[in-house]
Amino acid sequence: GENVEQHPSTLSVQEGDSAVIKCTYSDSASNYFPWYKQELGKRPQLIIDIRSNVGEKKDQRIAVTLNKTAKHFSLHITETQPEDSAVYFCAASNSGYALNFGKGTSLLVTP
Amino acid sequence: DVKVTQSSRYLVKRTGEKVFLECVQDMDHENMFWYRQDPGLGLRLIYFSYDVKMKEKGDIPEGYSVSREKKERFSLILESASTNQTSMYLCASGAGAVTEAFFGQGTRLTVV
Repeated sequence: GENVEQHPSTLSVQEGDSAVIKCTYSDSASNYFPWYKQELGKRPQLIIDIRSNVGEKKDQRIAVTLNKTAKHFSLHITETQPEDSAVYFCAASNSGYALNFGKGTSLLVTP
Repeated sequence: DVKVTQSSRYLVKRTGEKVFLECVQDMDHENMFWYRQDPGLGLRLIYFSYDVKMKEKGDIPEGYSVSREKKERFSLILESASTNQTSMYLCASGAGAVTEAFFGQGTRLTVV
Protein backbone atom coordinates (compact mmCIF):
# COMPACT_ATOMS: atom_id res chain seq x y z
CA GLY A 1 0.00 0.00 0.00
CA GLU A 2 0.88 3.68 0.03
CA ASN A 3 3.67 4.77 2.37
CA VAL A 4 3.99 8.43 3.35
CA GLU A 5 7.16 9.69 5.04
CA GLN A 6 7.15 13.08 6.75
CA HIS A 7 10.07 15.21 7.98
CA PRO A 8 10.98 16.69 10.33
CA SER A 9 9.09 15.24 13.28
CA THR A 10 9.61 18.44 15.27
CA LEU A 11 10.31 21.96 14.09
CA SER A 12 10.91 25.08 16.12
CA VAL A 13 11.00 28.51 14.49
CA GLN A 14 10.93 32.11 15.63
CA GLU A 15 7.87 34.17 14.98
CA GLY A 16 8.07 35.73 11.53
CA ASP A 17 10.34 33.05 10.10
CA SER A 18 9.28 30.51 7.49
CA ALA A 19 8.60 26.84 8.17
CA VAL A 20 8.89 23.99 5.67
CA ILE A 21 7.62 20.46 6.14
CA LYS A 22 8.40 17.77 3.58
CA CYS A 23 6.68 14.52 2.64
CA THR A 24 7.43 11.72 0.24
CA TYR A 25 5.05 9.06 -1.02
CA SER A 26 5.61 5.66 -2.57
CA ASP A 27 2.69 5.05 -4.93
CA SER A 28 3.00 6.88 -8.24
CA ALA A 29 -0.77 6.49 -8.69
CA SER A 30 -1.47 8.85 -5.77
CA ASN A 31 -3.32 11.88 -7.00
CA TYR A 32 -4.52 13.84 -3.97
CA PHE A 33 -2.29 15.42 -1.30
CA PRO A 34 -3.92 17.27 1.61
CA TRP A 35 -2.38 18.86 4.67
CA TYR A 36 -4.10 18.82 8.04
CA LYS A 37 -3.47 20.91 11.12
CA GLN A 38 -4.23 19.56 14.58
CA GLU A 39 -4.15 21.96 17.49
CA LEU A 40 -3.72 20.55 20.97
CA GLY A 41 -6.83 18.67 22.08
CA LYS A 42 -8.67 19.32 18.83
CA ARG A 43 -9.53 17.37 15.72
CA PRO A 44 -7.39 17.50 12.55
CA GLN A 45 -8.63 20.07 10.04
CA LEU A 46 -7.75 20.54 6.40
CA ILE A 47 -5.66 23.64 5.71
CA ILE A 48 -4.71 23.15 2.08
CA ASP A 49 -4.68 20.41 -0.55
CA ILE A 50 -3.23 19.85 -4.00
CA ARG A 51 -4.07 17.49 -6.80
CA SER A 52 -1.64 15.77 -9.12
CA ASN A 53 -2.36 18.01 -12.09
CA VAL A 54 -1.08 21.09 -10.21
CA GLY A 55 2.48 21.90 -9.17
CA GLU A 56 1.84 24.60 -6.59
CA LYS A 57 -1.03 26.10 -4.65
CA LYS A 58 -1.12 29.11 -2.33
CA ASP A 59 -3.54 30.36 0.26
CA GLN A 60 -2.38 33.50 2.03
CA ARG A 61 0.62 32.49 4.18
CA ILE A 62 0.57 28.81 3.33
CA ALA A 63 1.60 27.10 0.11
CA VAL A 64 2.06 23.54 -1.04
CA THR A 65 4.33 22.31 -3.82
CA LEU A 66 4.20 18.95 -5.54
CA ASN A 67 6.94 17.19 -7.51
CA LYS A 68 5.35 14.13 -9.09
CA THR A 69 8.56 12.92 -10.67
CA ALA A 70 10.34 12.81 -7.34
CA LYS A 71 7.17 11.83 -5.48
CA HIS A 72 7.42 14.50 -2.85
CA PHE A 73 5.38 17.45 -1.69
CA SER A 74 6.01 20.20 0.81
CA LEU A 75 4.12 22.64 3.02
CA HIS A 76 5.48 26.16 3.32
CA ILE A 77 4.31 28.57 6.00
CA THR A 78 5.60 32.14 5.75
CA GLU A 79 5.59 34.84 8.42
CA THR A 80 4.83 32.29 11.12
CA GLN A 81 2.74 33.30 14.13
CA PRO A 82 2.35 31.64 17.55
CA GLU A 83 -1.11 30.40 16.51
CA ASP A 84 0.56 28.33 13.80
CA SER A 85 1.92 26.10 16.58
CA ALA A 86 0.30 22.69 16.08
CA VAL A 87 0.90 19.24 14.67
CA TYR A 88 0.77 19.13 10.87
CA PHE A 89 0.01 15.95 8.92
CA CYS A 90 0.53 15.35 5.25
CA ALA A 91 -1.46 12.66 3.46
CA ALA A 92 -1.73 10.98 0.10
CA SER A 93 -4.54 9.12 -1.58
CA ASN A 94 -4.12 6.59 -4.34
CA SER A 95 -7.56 5.11 -4.36
CA GLY A 96 -9.75 8.08 -3.80
CA TYR A 97 -11.25 6.41 -0.79
CA ALA A 98 -8.81 6.50 2.11
CA LEU A 99 -6.05 8.90 3.05
CA ASN A 100 -2.66 7.58 4.14
CA PHE A 101 -1.07 9.97 6.62
CA GLY A 102 2.49 10.81 7.53
CA LYS A 103 3.52 10.61 11.17
CA GLY A 104 3.15 14.32 11.76
CA THR A 105 5.35 17.34 12.44
CA SER A 106 5.07 19.21 15.70
CA LEU A 107 5.63 22.89 14.88
CA LEU A 108 6.44 25.35 17.64
CA VAL A 109 6.52 29.06 16.87
CA THR A 110 8.22 31.05 19.60
CA PRO A 111 7.56 34.78 20.05
CA ASP B 1 -21.27 23.01 8.75
CA VAL B 2 -20.26 19.37 8.47
CA LYS B 3 -20.64 17.54 11.70
CA VAL B 4 -18.98 14.25 12.57
CA THR B 5 -19.89 13.17 16.06
CA GLN B 6 -18.34 10.38 18.09
CA SER B 7 -20.46 8.97 20.88
CA SER B 8 -17.89 9.27 23.66
CA ARG B 9 -14.98 11.61 24.35
CA TYR B 10 -13.42 9.32 26.97
CA LEU B 11 -13.89 5.62 27.66
CA VAL B 12 -12.33 3.28 30.18
CA LYS B 13 -12.82 -0.44 29.59
CA ARG B 14 -11.50 -3.63 31.05
CA THR B 15 -9.32 -6.17 29.23
CA GLY B 16 -11.48 -8.69 27.41
CA GLU B 17 -14.54 -6.47 27.15
CA LYS B 18 -16.33 -5.95 23.84
CA VAL B 19 -16.19 -2.24 23.03
CA PHE B 20 -18.31 -0.25 20.61
CA LEU B 21 -17.24 3.16 19.29
CA GLU B 22 -19.95 4.98 17.39
CA CYS B 23 -19.65 7.69 14.79
CA VAL B 24 -22.39 9.66 13.06
CA GLN B 25 -22.10 12.19 10.22
CA ASP B 26 -24.79 14.54 9.02
CA MET B 27 -23.61 15.38 5.49
CA ASP B 28 -24.71 12.30 3.55
CA HIS B 29 -21.08 11.35 2.87
CA GLU B 30 -20.42 8.07 1.10
CA ASN B 31 -17.05 7.42 2.73
CA MET B 32 -16.37 6.91 6.40
CA PHE B 33 -13.12 6.00 8.15
CA TRP B 34 -11.70 4.92 11.47
CA TYR B 35 -8.17 5.99 12.36
CA ARG B 36 -6.07 5.37 15.41
CA GLN B 37 -3.73 8.13 16.62
CA ASP B 38 -0.70 7.37 18.77
CA PRO B 39 2.22 9.69 19.62
CA GLY B 40 4.98 9.40 17.05
CA LEU B 41 2.93 7.09 14.82
CA GLY B 42 0.54 9.60 13.29
CA LEU B 43 -2.87 8.57 12.03
CA ARG B 44 -3.15 4.93 11.06
CA LEU B 45 -6.13 3.63 9.11
CA ILE B 46 -8.03 0.79 10.75
CA TYR B 47 -11.02 0.35 8.43
CA PHE B 48 -12.98 2.38 5.94
CA SER B 49 -16.33 2.11 4.22
CA TYR B 50 -17.36 3.57 0.86
CA ASP B 51 -20.98 2.48 1.00
CA VAL B 52 -23.55 1.00 3.32
CA LYS B 53 -22.62 -2.54 4.33
CA MET B 54 -19.28 -2.21 2.50
CA LYS B 55 -15.98 -2.21 4.36
CA GLU B 56 -12.31 -2.37 3.53
CA LYS B 57 -9.37 -3.16 5.79
CA GLY B 58 -6.86 -0.45 6.39
CA ASP B 59 -3.31 -0.81 7.64
CA ILE B 60 -4.02 -2.12 11.15
CA PRO B 61 -7.34 -4.05 11.17
CA GLU B 62 -6.26 -6.81 13.55
CA GLY B 63 -8.40 -6.93 16.68
CA TYR B 64 -11.06 -4.64 15.19
CA SER B 65 -14.22 -4.99 13.15
CA VAL B 66 -16.68 -2.44 11.80
CA SER B 67 -20.33 -2.11 10.96
CA ARG B 68 -22.12 0.23 8.62
CA GLU B 69 -25.84 -0.53 8.50
CA LYS B 70 -26.88 3.05 7.72
CA LYS B 71 -25.12 5.63 5.59
CA GLU B 72 -24.69 8.11 8.42
CA ARG B 73 -23.34 5.71 11.04
CA PHE B 74 -20.05 3.81 11.19
CA SER B 75 -19.20 1.71 14.23
CA LEU B 76 -15.83 0.40 15.33
CA ILE B 77 -15.88 -2.78 17.42
CA LEU B 78 -13.11 -4.12 19.60
CA GLU B 79 -14.08 -7.76 19.97
CA SER B 80 -11.94 -8.35 23.06
CA ALA B 81 -10.21 -5.20 24.25
CA SER B 82 -6.53 -5.41 25.09
CA THR B 83 -4.20 -2.93 26.75
CA ASN B 84 -2.36 -2.31 23.47
CA GLN B 85 -5.59 -0.88 22.07
CA THR B 86 -5.39 2.04 24.48
CA SER B 87 -5.32 4.97 22.10
CA MET B 88 -7.12 7.95 20.56
CA TYR B 89 -9.64 6.85 17.94
CA LEU B 90 -10.71 9.28 15.24
CA CYS B 91 -13.65 8.84 12.92
CA ALA B 92 -13.83 10.76 9.64
CA SER B 93 -16.17 11.10 6.68
CA GLY B 94 -15.80 12.36 3.13
CA ALA B 95 -18.02 13.03 0.13
CA GLY B 96 -16.17 10.84 -2.37
CA ALA B 97 -12.93 10.38 -4.21
CA VAL B 98 -10.14 12.90 -3.62
CA THR B 99 -12.04 15.19 -1.29
CA GLU B 100 -11.60 16.59 2.19
CA ALA B 101 -12.07 14.24 5.12
CA PHE B 102 -13.90 15.71 8.12
CA PHE B 103 -12.92 14.38 11.51
CA GLY B 104 -14.84 13.75 14.68
CA GLN B 105 -13.57 15.04 18.03
CA GLY B 106 -11.97 11.71 18.90
CA THR B 107 -12.51 9.06 21.57
CA ARG B 108 -9.72 8.47 24.02
CA LEU B 109 -9.99 4.82 24.98
CA THR B 110 -8.12 3.39 27.94
CA VAL B 111 -8.10 -0.37 28.42
CA VAL B 112 -7.11 -1.48 31.92
